[in-house]
Amino acid sequence: EAGVAQSPRYKIIEKRQSVAFWCNPISGHATLYWYQQILGQGPKLLIQFQNNGVVDDSQLPKDRFSAERLKGVDSTLKIQPAKLEDSAVYLCASSLVPDGGGYTFGSGTRLTVV
Amino acid sequence: RKEVEQDPGPFNVPEGATVAFNCTYSNSASQSFFWYRQDCRKEPKLLMSVYSSGNEDGRFTAQLNRASQYISLLIRDSKLSDSATYLCVVNQAGTALIFGKGTTLSVSS
Repeated sequence: EAGVAQSPRYKIIEKRQSVAFWCNPISGHATLYWYQQILGQGPKLLIQFQNNGVVDDSQLPKDRFSAERLKGVDSTLKIQPAKLEDSAVYLCASSLVPDGGGYTFGSGTRLTVV
Repeated sequence: RKEVEQDPGPFNVPEGATVAFNCTYSNSASQSFFWYRQDCRKEPKLLMSVYSSGNEDGRFTAQLNRASQYISLLIRDSKLSDSATYLCVVNQAGTALIFGKGTTLSVSS
């Protein structure tokens, strides 16, 4: 079974620039998540999709972050404009159902804002 | 108060040692509990689920105390390959997993 694919693996941008990350979940997984993991912290949920609908985006900084999951398959996360404090690893995960430990994470995108 | 709190460590132990990690959670509505393992610069991976009756997987034992809202992980006979960050994770029905900051374990020879 193919895993969760994310790209790019690394990205360095200057503050105030924009950046986009892409995620392709495991086939058939209806639920998709974007997490932000700052160095030394645990992953923090940014947004949860169920198919192409948003279930939870309460922790997404909507003034600069946006995400979409058109057609209920792959997803993009965008930051515009980026701030220094956005430097983190952005992890995408998918699962068949929201409950339980059946999450599969992608390798993440490591973002550095300079 | 954070939803999931863990002692960040690091825990530095010799091979063969027994080490225990503790975790508390604040939301009494939490229904599912897990330990995830995260290697350096890698993604988190499920180590084991945690059940009220306690459960064991080889050298790893997880315990849950719902009354105290407390979760533990015990690792016996530590191996070098156990060196990683251990994330305590909870969730409620239908919601996404909530992660603690993680506890770093370093096992040395």
